[in-house]
Amino acid sequence: GDSVTQMEGPVTLSEEAFLTINCTYTATGYPSLFWYVQYPGEGLQLLLKATKADDKGSNKGFEATYRKETTSFHLEKGSVQVSDSAVYFCALSIIQGAQKLVFGQGTRLTINP
Amino acid sequence: GAVVSQHPSRVICKSGTSVKIECRSLDFQATTMFWYRQFPKQSLMLMATSNEGSKATYEQGVEKDKFLINHASLTLSTLTVTSAHPEDSSFYICSAREMGHRETQYFGPGTRLLVL
Repeated sequence: GDSVTQMEGPVTLSEEAFLTINCTYTATGYPSLFWYVQYPGEGLQLLLKATKADDKGSNKGFEATYRKETTSFHLEKGSVQVSDSAVYFCALSIIQGAQKLVFGQGTRLTINP
Repeated sequence: GAVVSQHPSRVICKSGTSVKIECRSLDFQATTMFWYRQFPKQSLMLMATSNEGSKATYEQGVEKDKFLINHASLTLSTLTVTSAHPEDSSFYICSAREMGHRETQYFGPGTRLLVL
């Protein structure tokens, strides 16, 4: 079935470090791919998305490119801030029917000043 | 932007009682709402998909008689945990998809349920 695998956390970095959170997926067909962020005490927010191969989603300095050949959607940011500390979820959207989201297990990111 | 609210944000109840959680889309109409469960340090698990005016579709392994879902209007869906037990303690999150926008779900802030 459809599934998403994220790199295990927690991830701890210093401010201004480069960030990569790996995400790979398994899906039948051509899903849309998403990154959601959950700040402490808040609900999930859509961070970025890509709907077809080679698309790049970007927002708030974060980027991810839909790589069909490697079935990946890795999240990157060139210089992280303390305010980026949160849990990040990679997800795919199943195209058929109700278009459900399938989430990865989440990666907790902590940025130290 | 699209806002989804949940009420209550936190509830503590005794074992055997029922608890109702509301999910509202505040500034858009949602034909479809989703209910998730999130265990500590784990991902979101889809419980059911709720369509306005029709019966909810439950995921495999989710007891529909225990988790009653009602989507009576385009802005409100409710999840009732019936005869709650301590193992039902969890973080319940709803999301809503705006009419005509199939790709994007907007998430509520979640409801923390503790069953004693």
